[in-house]
Amino acid sequence: DAGVIQSPRHEVTEMGQEVTLRCKPISGHNSLFWYRQTMMRGLELLIYFNNNVPIDDSGMPEDRFSAKMPNASFSTLKIQPSEPRDSAVYFCASSPDRVVVYFGPGTRLTVT
Amino acid sequence: AQSVAQPEDQVNVAEGNPLTVKCTYSVSGNPYLFWYVQYPNRGLQFLLKYITGDNLVKGSYGFEAEFNKSQTSFHLKKPSALVSDSALYVCAVRDDAGGFKTIFGAGTRLFVKA
Repeated sequence: DAGVIQSPRHEVTEMGQEVTLRCKPISGHNSLFWYRQTMMRGLELLIYFNNNVPIDDSGMPEDRFSAKMPNASFSTLKIQPSEPRDSAVYFCASSPDRVVVYFGPGTRLTVT
Repeated sequence: AQSVAQPEDQVNVAEGNPLTVKCTYSVSGNPYLFWYVQYPNRGLQFLLKYITGDNLVKGSYGFEAEFNKSQTSFHLKKPSALVSDSALYVCAVRDDAGGFKTIFGAGTRLFVKA
């Protein structure tokens, strides 16, 4: 299996622009997670889907952030409008059992 | 509420020497405990987990971890470090009392010098 696939790997954008991050989970995994990693706060869970349904989005920082999972093989995380404090590495991860989590390579987002 | 702490930001060890990376946790129920490793520009990779059973858990690349309930610890160990072990090691905990949320520690950066 190719593992969790994320695109783009790097994104540089200007403040105020819309950013869309994409994720393809491992086939057969029914749980999908979006995390954000920064030096200051470490790894934070943003949102969790189970069977394509958002279960907990309490980690989403504010209304500027939204996530969707239209089917079992695709998810997006959107930031609109983006701000410099959103700069971080965003990881998508999936799990077959909600125990062990398999991470993608991450998207490094820089908002200038 | 569950939490996990890694008291050391960085651990330095010479190649061939044993290494220990420390982790303590707090949960209300029984813990599920994990170690992940992160290499530069990569996502976290699963190393090993403890859910139940033997307190000594063996994982990938010769790593092992010991669950100590009385000290609420889950330290990662390796008898002989390799330069290629240099990476960020992240401890994680999940409470079996319900929910799905895994809490990750801040990570400990391991440097192995040749």
